[in-house]
Amino acid sequence: SQQGEEDPQALSIQEGENATMNCSYKTSINNLQWYRQNSGRGLVHLILIRSNEREKHSGRLRVTLDTSKKSSSLLITASRAADTASYFCAAMEYGNKLVFGAGTILRVKS
Amino acid sequence: DTAVSQTPKYLVTQMGNDKSIKCEQNLGHDTMYWYKQDSKKFLKIMFSYNNKELIINETVPNRFSPKSPDKAHLNLHINSLELGDSAVYFCASSRRTDYEQYFGPGTRLTVT
Repeated sequence: SQQGEEDPQALSIQEGENATMNCSYKTSINNLQWYRQNSGRGLVHLILIRSNEREKHSGRLRVTLDTSKKSSSLLITASRAADTASYFCAAMEYGNKLVFGAGTILRVKS
Repeated sequence: DTAVSQTPKYLVTQMGNDKSIKCEQNLGHDTMYWYKQDSKKFLKIMFSYNNKELIINETVPNRFSPKSPDKAHLNLHINSLELGDSAVYFCASSRRTDYEQYFGPGTRLTVT
């Protein structure tokens, strides 16, 4: 079952701007994770937020989680050209199966 | 000092053949996974092993058989390859089943 739906599908911004990506999921979760995938590469874990947390920061990343709306958002501040990649949310269902969304393609123009 | 490695990186083969993809992790993790990423970048779990025991087995054709000889290795064997098996296959590992996962670089399988 596909759990996470992401919005937008693609995002193009100028270097220095902020990028916001949204994710929705369908069932109860243990945690929600965000990953980055550069073209032709494997996924890299960015941040994990547990179901009892509402917000988490890591460097230029800020993640929020709203379990009542079954949604999460990833904010990348002061974007750089190197942030150009696909970003995936992944919902950890009870039973510990990680279900990925379709991803958001972010392009940061320098 | 690659954390999760996969071989081969590319695999081109004909329909009907049998092939294997190997995965090794040197992170000391207990859990390993196989994912399939299709042409639309949709990533779906196929199998998960914890301490060499199969814990997740999604609806995958039985032509796909994972084998875990030890905690550091999880191989994927595919029999009678079909065109629809063409995809990128990722191996991953995690310290615990509910923790973040570390992915390998992927194996691009093309079936002609």
